[in-house]
Amino acid sequence: EAGVAQSPRYKIIEKRQSVAFWCNPISGHATLYWYQQILGQGPKLLIQFQNNGVVDDSQLPKDRFSAERLKGVDSTLKIQPAKLEDSAVYLCASSLFGSDEQYFGPGTRLTVT
Amino acid sequence: AQSVTQLDSQVPVFEEAPVELRCNYSSSVSVYLFWYVQYPNQGLQLLLKYLSGSTLVESINGFEAEFNKSQTSFHLRKPSVHISDTAEYFCAVSRAGTASKLTFGTGTRLQVTL
Repeated sequence: EAGVAQSPRYKIIEKRQSVAFWCNPISGHATLYWYQQILGQGPKLLIQFQNNGVVDDSQLPKDRFSAERLKGVDSTLKIQPAKLEDSAVYLCASSLFGSDEQYFGPGTRLTVT
Repeated sequence: AQSVTQLDSQVPVFEEAPVELRCNYSSSVSVYLFWYVQYPNQGLQLLLKYLSGSTLVESINGFEAEFNKSQTSFHLRKPSVHISDTAEYFCAVSRAGTASKLTFGTGTRLQVTL
């Protein structure tokens, strides 16, 4: 069974530029999560989707971050414009509908200079 | 809201020695508890979880954790560690029965040496 796929694995941009990350969850997983992991901290949820609907985006900085999951499968997370404090690893996870077990992708490491 | 405290940021240990990684949580509602492991440049992997039933849960590679409701703890233990256990370990909680987000601790770096 293929795991959660994410791309790119690494990205370096300058502040005020925009960036997008892509995630393809495990086939059949209805729930998709985006987490932000800042160096030295645990992952923090940014947004949770159930199929193509948003369940929780309370910690998403909506002035600069956006995410979509148009067809209920893969998802894109965008930052526009990026700030230095956005440097982090962005993790995507997925789970079966109603399941508490989340499966994580390898993450995208973003460096903002 | 839930919160998780991992008291030790780093734990150095010699190979074949026992280890305990501490985790305490705070929540006003029932929670599920998880330990995830993160190897360098890899994503998080579920190590073990407590949802209900027996308070002692075990993983396939020799780790175990015990849910202690009165002390609000879920410490991770292994009686004899191996070099390959070197990794970052994260304790996490979620609200029971809601398939909701995980709230993570800050992680403990386990460094196993010869």
